[in-house]
Amino acid sequence: DAKTTQPTSMDCAEGRAANLPCNHSTISGNEYVYWYRQIHSQGPQYIIHGLKNNETNEMASLIITEDRKSSTLILPHATLRDTAVYYCIVRPYTGTASKLTFGTGTRLQVTL
Amino acid sequence: NAGVTQTPKFRVLKTGQSMTLLCAQDMNHEYMYWYRQDPGMGLRLIHYSVGEGTTAKGEVPDGYNVSRLKKQNFLLGLESAAPSQTSVYFCATRTGGMNTEAFFGQGTRLTVV
Repeated sequence: DAKTTQPTSMDCAEGRAANLPCNHSTISGNEYVYWYRQIHSQGPQYIIHGLKNNETNEMASLIITEDRKSSTLILPHATLRDTAVYYCIVRPYTGTASKLTFGTGTRLQVTL
Repeated sequence: NAGVTQTPKFRVLKTGQSMTLLCAQDMNHEYMYWYRQDPGMGLRLIHYSVGEGTTAKGEVPDGYNVSRLKKQNFLLGLESAAPSQTSVYFCATRTGGMNTEAFFGQGTRLTVV
C-alpha cells in the first residue's frame, strides 16, 4: 500500500482557507486519494476523494499534482467546527475488498 | 435510517473476561471493517469482511475474532481481554466497487482493568 506523509499539526484563522498537504510519492496508477476527518472522538467522516483530476464538493476541494505524488485538501472558509484530525489515505483497489489504512493525520486547529 | 450502529458505546472489562462488540448497518453494504484507535494515534485495522460468511485479518488481528453470519451485522469478539486492548473501537462499512466512501459508527470505548 502506498504510504502517506502529513504534517502533525496546523493552525488556521477562522474565515481563512485551510490548506492541508499530503505526500504520497509511491502512489500507484489505480489508487485513489481519500480524505477523512475525525472531530474530537467521533467516528471518521468522509470528505472527498480523487484519482487525478481536481475535485470539489460542498465541504472542500482536492488538488492533486500532475505527477500524483502529492495533494492538498482545501477548506475554503474554515470555521471553528472544522477543528479536527484530517487523514489523507491512499486506497488500493484489489478487485475484492480494499483496505482503508489510516496514518496519524494532521491535527487542524481553527482559531478566532 | 440509522446508518452504522455500534453496541455498546462504553464497557469496562476485567482482565480475562470476554465480550462481543456488535456493528449493525442498514445500508446493505457488502464490506465491513473493525478498527481500533489508541490515544493520539490513527486507526488500525483489526479485521474486515467482504461479504456475509467471509472475514479476513487486518493489521492487528491478534486477540480478536470476528464473524459475519448476517450481511448487516459484523461481530468483534475478545475471548480473554487484556489491558493492551483498552481502546476505542470503530466499525466502518462501504458498498462494493473501487470508488466508494466508508461510513463509520460512533465508536465503542473499551477499558480493560
